[in-house]
Amino acid sequence: AQSVTQLGSHVSVSEGALVLLRCNYSSSVPPYLFWYVQYPNQGLQLLLKYTTGATLVKGINGFEAEFKKSETSFHLTKPSAHMSDAAEYFCAVTMGGYNKLIFGAGTRLAVHP
Amino acid sequence: GAVVSQHPSRVICKSGTSVKIECRSLDFQATTMFWYRQFPKQSLMLMATSNEGSKATYEQGVEKDKFLINHASLTLSTLTVTSAHPEDSSFYICSARVLDSTDTQYFGPGTRLTVL
Repeated sequence: AQSVTQLGSHVSVSEGALVLLRCNYSSSVPPYLFWYVQYPNQGLQLLLKYTTGATLVKGINGFEAEFKKSETSFHLTKPSAHMSDAAEYFCAVTMGGYNKLIFGAGTRLAVHP
Repeated sequence: GAVVSQHPSRVICKSGTSVKIECRSLDFQATTMFWYRQFPKQSLMLMATSNEGSKATYEQGVEKDKFLINHASLTLSTLTVTSAHPEDSSFYICSARVLDSTDTQYFGPGTRLTVL
């Protein structure tokens, strides 16, 4: 069975500081991994995804994530936080082959001046 | 590209009435759409998988007679909450899966349902 663990339900950073949101997964087969962002009262927006190929994936809004098979991790980073990055972030995994997404519990990112 | 719309964005209804929510993929075809429910400050809970031209597959614990799903075309799925009660109040989000092998889902903006 697949699962996703997001360490830290709340993360707070200063504007301009590094953003690091942690995601670890469990999967018996090579996973497809996703990060989504959700702003208040809105749906989810795809930030980036890893399916195959290069393990460092770049997404929108300056975010990137690295797939590390040995650590079963897919942490999301951004070098410099902006106030507009404040939102809820969800990591998700699927096995591919038209399976459903398994979501983590989410991490709420707060950015303060 | 890959835009998904939902209508309505917000609905308030009386207890006992039925509410229909539409989910449309605007610029791509989606043989599979998903319906999720999200409680405040929680993650998404998958309710059902909607397949075009066939019956929806419901997750364990989701009442299929309560939450009717119809996927009549490659761009439209509907969720009808029948005989709604206050406990059905929630944020409902749909997603559509693109027709490739990456399992990527694109999400609608959500529908806030309030049952009085």
